[in-house]
Amino acid sequence: DQQVKQNSPSLSVQEGRISILNCDYTNSMFDYFLWYKKYPAEGPTFLISISSIKDKNEDGRFTVFLNKSAKHLSLHIVPSQPGDSAVYFCAAKGDSGGSNYKLTFGKGTLLTVNP
Amino acid sequence: DSGVTQTPKHLITATGQRVTLRCSPRSGDLSVYWYQQSLDQGLQFLIQYYNGEERAKGNILERFSAQQFPDLHSELNLSSLELGDSALYFCASSARAGEGEKLFFGSGTQLSVL
Repeated sequence: DQQVKQNSPSLSVQEGRISILNCDYTNSMFDYFLWYKKYPAEGPTFLISISSIKDKNEDGRFTVFLNKSAKHLSLHIVPSQPGDSAVYFCAAKGDSGGSNYKLTFGKGTLLTVNP
Repeated sequence: DSGVTQTPKHLITATGQRVTLRCSPRSGDLSVYWYQQSLDQGLQFLIQYYNGEERAKGNILERFSAQQFPDLHSELNLSSLELGDSALYFCASSARAGEGEKLFFGSGTQLSVL
């Protein structure tokens, strides 16, 4: 049962344009959402997060939007740069089992930014 | 560099064997998490330790076990290995048990079971 879903395995964008990565979740107990970025041969690195009490969080070129009613979040990268090419994982904290300590990850979206 | 060290980087073994993956968390971090990433799955949470005690359990098989030692390093033991256990195993750490949102990941151990 995939509680966090990233339905697009890959996305290709031109340098300078906007990249929009999407994520859907099914568990209404999730209260915190994060995006991680992963380069080949490296572990995931934290990128940006958002609490369920907010609908937007911005950090430089990266903005995360949360739509709780739709159980949907998205990561916007503007402008996209070739160095942004990586796998992006959406993750959520909190689960119906009561444990609040683990993150549930999606399968990731491979972003390719073409020069 | 995340400060989380995992060894070995690569491991090739045969079915039925047992292996141990090692993780040293960031200096000062008390919480260690193990995740498995296989080809068609995202990062699957296996288990979490906090200051030597098991804190949360995920989709960890009975053939797998882990522990966290007094010096806070952790080991993940995988036994009776099957082909399907081939995956990338990540260790992550955070400062406190509730700070799951600030996980710092190691570069992973690539396990190949032949």
